Amino acid sequence: KNEVEQSPQNLTAQEGEFITINCSYSVGISALHWLQQHPGGGIVSLFMLSSGKKKHGRLIATINIQEKHSSLHITASHPRDSAVYICAVFGSNYQLIWGAGTKLIIKP
Amino acid sequence: IAGITQAPTSQILAAGRRMTLRCTQDMRHNAMYWYRQDLGLGLRLIHYSNTAGTTGKGEVPDGYSVSRANTDDFPLTLASAVPSQTSVYFCASSNTGLAGELFFGEGSRLTVL
Repeated sequence: KNEVEQSPQNLTAQEGEFITINCSYSVGISALHWLQQHPGGGIVSLFMLSSGKKKHGRLIATINIQEKHSSLHITASHPRDSAVYICAVFGSNYQLIWGAGTKLIIKP
Repeated sequence: IAGITQAPTSQILAAGRRMTLRCTQDMRHNAMYWYRQDLGLGLRLIHYSNTAGTTGKGEVPDGYSVSRANTDDFPLTLASAVPSQTSVYFCASSNTGLAGELFFGEGSRLTVL
């Protein structure tokens, strides 16, 4: 079992739909990251969470420390949201443990 | 423009050659990292640096070396490149130590023939 598991692996939705990507982890953490990688490679940090909920524009990230679970939500999805979304947590020795990523495609 | 600059963006290299990937940040971040990204394997940490003058080994350090002579620069050197080092390399920095928010460079695509 991977220490960080994301679901779904692939997600295709229509423009305007509400999107949820899940991340479950089994290691103890100080912080959890959500990152976005567009086709062509650039990686952008979306959120860093240690508790509760954060919101930035149409993106919302939540974390439940007791359940070792985090979700990334996208409201009013748009084709430009199409990307790979990656969850990562800090394990021992400050090394980030990465999920496999969720490939999101938003169709117009 | 503040951020992380990597160079080169792309390079084709003969096996056995020495190669240095450059990484410079102007955000005065203490922590810096080098990752490689391979299809199906996600991002793997090669080396990291908590602060200028210190470095540490990540998950896949073999065949790579780094130095951190100052806060801004964190070059990654392949002493004798091998085809298995064909990958996309990302440099990153963190604004609050090794557990802080990450900022990434645009990546360097390296092909070793």
